[in-house]
Amino acid sequence: SQQGEEDPQALSIQEGENATMNCSYKTSINNLQWYRQNSGRGLVHLILIRSNEREKHSGRLRVTLDTSKKSSSLLITASRAADTASYFCVHEGQTGANNLFFGTGTRLTVIP
Amino acid sequence: DAGVIQSPRHEVTEMGQEVTLRCKPISGHNSLFWYRQTMMRGLELLIYFNNNVPIDDSGMPEDRFSAKMPNASFSTLKIQPSEPRDSAVYFCASRTGEGVAFFGQGTRLTVV
Repeated sequence: SQQGEEDPQALSIQEGENATMNCSYKTSINNLQWYRQNSGRGLVHLILIRSNEREKHSGRLRVTLDTSKKSSSLLITASRAADTASYFCVHEGQTGANNLFFGTGTRLTVIP
Repeated sequence: DAGVIQSPRHEVTEMGQEVTLRCKPISGHNSLFWYRQTMMRGLELLIYFNNNVPIDDSGMPEDRFSAKMPNASFSTLKIQPSEPRDSAVYFCASRTGEGVAFFGQGTRLTVV
């Protein structure tokens, strides 16, 4: 499969706690992206990390990439109820095919 | 730019009818993607276009599905004849190069 695999499938935490979601993939990549989807809405891009980067920050988001393990993690610090959503990773392969395959996502619930 | 625009937002149709979903990508974007999302199967890539040319349609479920991109500012996804199992949310996304993909708000299709 060309899809990434997110883990866990569902995560429930208290507001203020940190949330960590993981993503694994199987092929060599050029970059990996994380997206967020609120219920019933389209996906919104959060962050892109290139294959030569190991860590990237954006506000309360921290993404790591380990190409040797073919895995990435998304950390949301000091979570808020508004962070409740599904989070997807998608990797860009090196084949030049330019397609984007999404995994099944992690459903995050932040309890106020 | 208004973003990726999809129409209609909601469509309810009877089994056997033809359904046409429409997408207007962001101006200047040269790649366009059609996805289908269901609870059971997640977010599936149906087809994507590069510079108006279909590159990979391996995700199209069967011959009842067809997609066209007659010009850089318009694409359609047609289902003929429609079946209840086609009920899903259909998303269109566009981007340029290997950058961020921008999603439309989706079309919620219900086939009864």
